[in-house]
Amino acid sequence: QVQLQESGPGLVKPSETLSLTCTVSGGDISRYYWSWIRQPPGKGLEWIAYMYYSGTPNYNPSLKSRVTISVDTSKNQFSLKLSSVTAADTAVYYCARRQQLSPHYYYYGLDVWGQGTTVTVSS
Amino acid sequence: DIQMTQSPSSLSASVGDRVTITCRASQSIRSYLNWYQQKPGKAPKILIYAASSLQSGVPSRFSGSGSGTDFTLTISSLQPEDFATYYCQQSYSSGAFGPGTKVDIK
Repeated sequence: QVQLQESGPGLVKPSETLSLTCTVSGGDISRYYWSWIRQPPGKGLEWIAYMYYSGTPNYNPSLKSRVTISVDTSKNQFSLKLSSVTAADTAVYYCARRQQLSPHYYYYGLDVWGQGTTVTVSS
Repeated sequence: DIQMTQSPSSLSASVGDRVTITCRASQSIRSYLNWYQQKPGKAPKILIYAASSLQSGVPSRFSGSGSGTDFTLTISSLQPEDFATYYCQQSYSSGAFGPGTKVDIK
């Protein structure tokens, strides 16, 4: 049973870089795609990015200039960096596994999620 | 970018009601459409993938339909545990979510 756990600072100053890590337990990180999603307070879900452990990341165009995701197979972790943050980046940040759910077609969905971690951008 | 919209943004319903939520994509996404349920303070849970395939463990009162640009999530008989917010998500390119539909108690 794969489980995910986000970790990182809960408070980040404006203009600095937000850094989060997702630890994967109960499974091999090198078998799947991994994603980051966020949810501002009282608002909907926003997809940030996903990548295969060894592939090219796929970023939300609206965040692409500020986002970097990476996978560390030696630690079974993947990470998110978001630069030049503002108050608008205050949100609950989730990591999730992007899994091929159909055996015959490339239909992917987010089937395992972390519990989420709250990040506040404030001085 | 493919944009996703949902309607209604919220609805009130009673236990036992049939509930229908609509999702629309700004261009064809074929059947690359997922539905998620989110309860307050919790991570989302996938219900439907490939527009109409029920994820393992999800009750059969949930169903999805549609292809191209127009999709529907139906709850055939609303149960107390179904009061939540529902999101569609396209997996055709990237992973954009719809804005959500909140289902609350009438």
